[in-house]
Amino acid sequence: TQLLEQSPQFLSIQEGENLTVYCNSSSVFSSLQWYRQEPGEGPVLLVTVVTGGEVKKLKRLTFQFGDARKDSSLHITAAQPGDTGLYLCAGVRASGTYKYIFGTGTRLKVLA
Amino acid sequence: DTAVSQTPKYLVTQMGNDKSIKCEQNLGHDTMYWYKQDSKKFLKIMFSYNNKELIINETVPNRFSPKSPDKAHLNLHINSLELGDSAVYFCASSQGQSGNTIYFGEGSWLTVV
Repeated sequence: TQLLEQSPQFLSIQEGENLTVYCNSSSVFSSLQWYRQEPGEGPVLLVTVVTGGEVKKLKRLTFQFGDARKDSSLHITAAQPGDTGLYLCAGVRASGTYKYIFGTGTRLKVLA
Repeated sequence: DTAVSQTPKYLVTQMGNDKSIKCEQNLGHDTMYWYKQDSKKFLKIMFSYNNKELIINETVPNRFSPKSPDKAHLNLHINSLELGDSAVYFCASSQGQSGNTIYFGEGSWLTVV
C-alpha cells in the first residue's frame, strides 16, 4: 500500500503556464518535504514544512502543508524549462517507525 | 567536494553474480540510507543505519546485505543477482532520522542481464 500518492503522475506543459502537484495520504505526518530529481542525479531538497496550514515560497514555487498534516501541494507559477524534473514529496509519520516515506512522484516537462 | 559519493555509477552484470556498491559521506551525518528506485521512479527505502547500527530493514531479500564499517560509510552487497534487481540504487545521509534534509548520492545504475 502506497502511503503517499502524488498527482498527476505526468505533466507536460508549455513555458509560462502554471501548475499544481498534489501529495495526499490518509496518514498524519510530523513533517513533509519536497524534492526535485533531475535525470542522472539524486533527489535534492526544495523545502520542508512542519506546521499544519504552513505555506512556504521559494521564488516561483509555493508549497503548502494541509491543515491536518495529511497532504501537501506544490504550485509553480510561470513554469520554465529549467523546472523540468521528477518532483517527490516525502513524509515522516507522526507515529511509528521514524522513516521517510516517498511519494509516487510527478514527472514534469516544461516545453520551451 | 561531493557530499555523498557512491561507486560504481554504472554496473552491468550477469544473473547469479555477486556485486557491491560503496557509499561514503563527508557531511558528518550520523544516519545513512540505501534506497531503490525502480523504472517507474518510485523511491523505496531499503536500509537505514544510525551510528553504524541498523535501524530500518524493510522487506528486502536476504541477498541484500548492508555493511557500515563506520559512520561515514555504508556499503551494499548483493548476492546471486536477479533480473528484478535492475534499478537505480541511491545512497543517502542525514543528521538524525526525522525532518532533516536527506542528501542523496548520484545513484548507481544496476543492470542485470
